[in-house]
Amino acid sequence: KQEVTQIPAALSVPEGENLVLNCSFTDSAIYNLQWFRQDPGKGLTSLLLIQSSQREQTSGRLNASLDKSSGRSTLYIAASQPGDSATYLCAVCYETSGSRLTFGEGTQLTVNP
Amino acid sequence: NAGVTQTPKFRILKIGQSMTLQCAQDMNHNYMYWYRQDPGMGLKLIYYSVGAGITDKGEVPNGYNVSRSTTEDFPLRLELAAPSQTSVYFCASSYSRGTGFNEQFFGPGTRLTVL
Repeated sequence: KQEVTQIPAALSVPEGENLVLNCSFTDSAIYNLQWFRQDPGKGLTSLLLIQSSQREQTSGRLNASLDKSSGRSTLYIAASQPGDSATYLCAVCYETSGSRLTFGEGTQLTVNP
Repeated sequence: NAGVTQTPKFRILKIGQSMTLQCAQDMNHNYMYWYRQDPGMGLKLIYYSVGAGITDKGEVPNGYNVSRSTTEDFPLRLELAAPSQTSVYFCASSYSRGTGFNEQFFGPGTRLTVL
């Protein structure tokens, strides 16, 4: 079964720390991988999309990497701020699933002032 | 652009009632999706559509129906509400052409409680 796993489920860090969120997937045949942010009671905001042919994508303080051979992606957040506190979701578009996304359960991040 | 819009934001249903969750997008996206998110869980796909007149089942379609008569709108119908359908429902859309797929954009969600 094609799955997506995110570890840890929750993470608490002091402000200013650099941090890494992990996402693993079970099949290297993917079209793309997308990272989302979800604030409590809100919808999902797309952060970064990495296509299968790419190794990484950057947006501001965020950097996402993709290693298909090992089935892993990481989201790196530099100089974390309290406003970064949210749940971060990883979603994979597997080739056998067409356009459908398979989501992980998310990592709940708290950045303490 | 308004992006992806959903109505209503909140709704309480009694067991056995029916309702339609509305979703619209103004980005001329050909793909549209319905997901549900249970507390502390990731999202699961209910139904999706690759264009007007074409729909297909996702991972958890039982108890739901959809239609796509226009590019812009993709309503989700619950016929006989059950407590197991208490969840937050998200609509999403994307534009895809050929063999590649682009990022999905999500609406703000509808929080549904069935009592």
